[in-house]
Amino acid sequence: KAGVTQTPRYLIKTRGQQVTLSCSPISGHRSVSWYQQTPGQGLQFLFEYFSETQRNKGNFPGRFSGRQFSNSRSEMNVSTLELGDSALYLCASTRQGIRNEQFFGPGTRLTVL
Amino acid sequence: AQSVTQPDIHITVSEGASLELRCNYSYGATPYLFWYVQSPGQGLQLLLKYFSGDTLVQGIKGFEAEFKRSQSSFNLRKPSVHWSDAAEYFCAVGAHSGGYQKVTFGTGTKLQVIP
Repeated sequence: KAGVTQTPRYLIKTRGQQVTLSCSPISGHRSVSWYQQTPGQGLQFLFEYFSETQRNKGNFPGRFSGRQFSNSRSEMNVSTLELGDSALYLCASTRQGIRNEQFFGPGTRLTVL
Repeated sequence: AQSVTQPDIHITVSEGASLELRCNYSYGATPYLFWYVQSPGQGLQLLLKYFSGDTLVQGIKGFEAEFKRSQSSFNLRKPSVHWSDAAEYFCAVGAHSGGYQKVTFGTGTKLQVIP
């Protein structure tokens, strides 16, 4: 069974631009969560999608948004990029239900210049 | 709301020595507990998990963890560390929230292994 895939793996943008990151969960997994990881702040939860609906959200500004498609693939978008948005963005998928671990993708390394 | 504390930011051990990484959680009910490992530039890989039952949990790569309710701890252990264990380790707690699970991660402990 294929794991969680994220594209692109690396991205360089400049301030003010916008970016879209993609995540394909493990087949059969309907929940997708996004995290931002930086050396200073650690792993911070962005949002979670389940069956195309956002059901949990972290404390990030509205510049960070996401969506999920009917095939469970998810995208996150960051508009008006700031230098502080440079980070590793991780996507994790989970099977439906509780008491299930998250499976993480390799991440997208975003650098904002 | 649940929270996780990993008091050690960085730990250095000699290859072959034993290892214990500390994790303390805060949650009102019985939590679901996880340990993940992250190699540089990679995503997180699950080492082990505790949901209920036996408080000593075995995981992959020779790791184990013990759930101690009285101490609100879930420490990760390995009897003999290998150089390939150098990585960052994250403890996480999951809890019910509105019918689904919400996971909170600790800040991580970086493990350095010296020859």
